[in-house]
Amino acid sequence: EAQVTQNPRYLITVTGKKLTVTCSQNMNHEYMSWYRQDPGLGLRQIYYSMNVEVTDKGDVPEGYKVSRKEKRNFPLILESPSPNQTSLYFCASSLSRTSSEQYFGPGTRLTVT
Amino acid sequence: EDKVVQSPLSLVVHEGDTVTLNCSYEVTNFRSLLWYKQEKKAPTFLFMLTSSGIEKKSGRLSSILDKKELFSILNITATQTGDSAVYLCAVVVNAGNNRKLIWGLGTSLAVNP
Repeated sequence: EAQVTQNPRYLITVTGKKLTVTCSQNMNHEYMSWYRQDPGLGLRQIYYSMNVEVTDKGDVPEGYKVSRKEKRNFPLILESPSPNQTSLYFCASSLSRTSSEQYFGPGTRLTVT
Repeated sequence: EDKVVQSPLSLVVHEGDTVTLNCSYEVTNFRSLLWYKQEKKAPTFLFMLTSSGIEKKSGRLSSILDKKELFSILNITATQTGDSAVYLCAVVVNAGNNRKLIWGLGTSLAVNP
């Protein structure tokens, strides 16, 4: 089944403790991105990747890192999480950078205390 | 600044009613407009619209784009409780070598039996 998977789905952590949210897609998509979704602010892009080893900042990259060493995986790293990073995170992928339709992962609800 | 505004923010109807959701936009370098449905999980793709006046249809859902007046509508006829969700509109713009999605905040639809 074609899908985007994320892990973990739920995470409660403390300020400053490094964490990684994994994202994997099995559709051979070139383009992947990370979003956060907050009430009243909607979906905002954190980082995106147009292909392996090609990543770039989205609208709200501060406090996050990404890597794209393989086509299928696009992990999101929070080196030193803070409470303002408490949010719902979505990974998404699409066939290429010019494709409009994106496939979303199930979401990761992160709480930083 | 590019922006996408959806209205109404929320809507409560009875099963069988017809609803019209609105999405207006002000962007540069318009490429396409997307509609997504978000239940208590990841957004799922509904429609992509690129040309004015051409209706896209899927079952009881339909959508149309007006590029002159800069808006799109999503119609749902004979609503069912399973239509309860947040409906998101996103406008795809060309951004240099890339394309970027500008998201609206969504319309929350509740269909009561």
